[in-house]
Amino acid sequence: GNSVTQMEGPVTLSEEAFLTINCTYTATGYPSLFWYVQYPGEGLQLLLKATKADDKGSNKGFEATYRKETTSFHLEKGSVQVSDSAVYFCALRDDKIIFGKGTRLHILP
Amino acid sequence: KAGVTQTPRYLIKTRGQQVTLSCSPISGHRSVSWYQQTPGQGLQFLFEYFSETQRNKGNFPGRFSGRQFSNSRSEMNVSTLELGDSALYLCASSPLRLADYEQYFGPGTRLTVT
Repeated sequence: GNSVTQMEGPVTLSEEAFLTINCTYTATGYPSLFWYVQYPGEGLQLLLKATKADDKGSNKGFEATYRKETTSFHLEKGSVQVSDSAVYFCALRDDKIIFGKGTRLHILP
Repeated sequence: KAGVTQTPRYLIKTRGQQVTLSCSPISGHRSVSWYQQTPGQGLQFLFEYFSETQRNKGNFPGRFSGRQFSNSRSEMNVSTLELGDSALYLCASSPLRLADYEQYFGPGTRLTVT
């Protein structure tokens, strides 16, 4: 069946560092891909999405590109802030949403 | 526009009891999905309701059930609670079927089973 694998955390970075969180997927067909973020004590928020190969999703300085050839959707940000500390989930959608396990990100001031 | 609301936010139950969780979707949204979030298993899809009918179901036992009302509000019921049912239960709504539209999540209900 379809699945999502993302790098395990926690990831700890200093403020203004470059961020990459790896995500790869297994799917039949061409599912839509998402990154969600969960701040402490809150539900999930959609961060960005891509619906077809080579699409780049972007929001709040975060970017991810749908790479069909490597079945990947890695999340990147050029300069992280303390306020980016959260748990990040990679997900794909076929007839339901399948999430990765989540990656906890800590940003140190 | 008000977001997705879930009640109660926190709940403590004893093994063997049953529990009902409620979700009110964003106004105008007709699809409601439920997810279970645990540290070990992560986020797992429970089911989706659309137009008062269950449209899709995850791999959970029959103790987990749900329903949707004509105003799109949804309830989820867990019978004969087990310790392993302790989790954050998230509800999400979308305008139409989740396969076609992005979802908006509520803050969740934290269920603790003792």
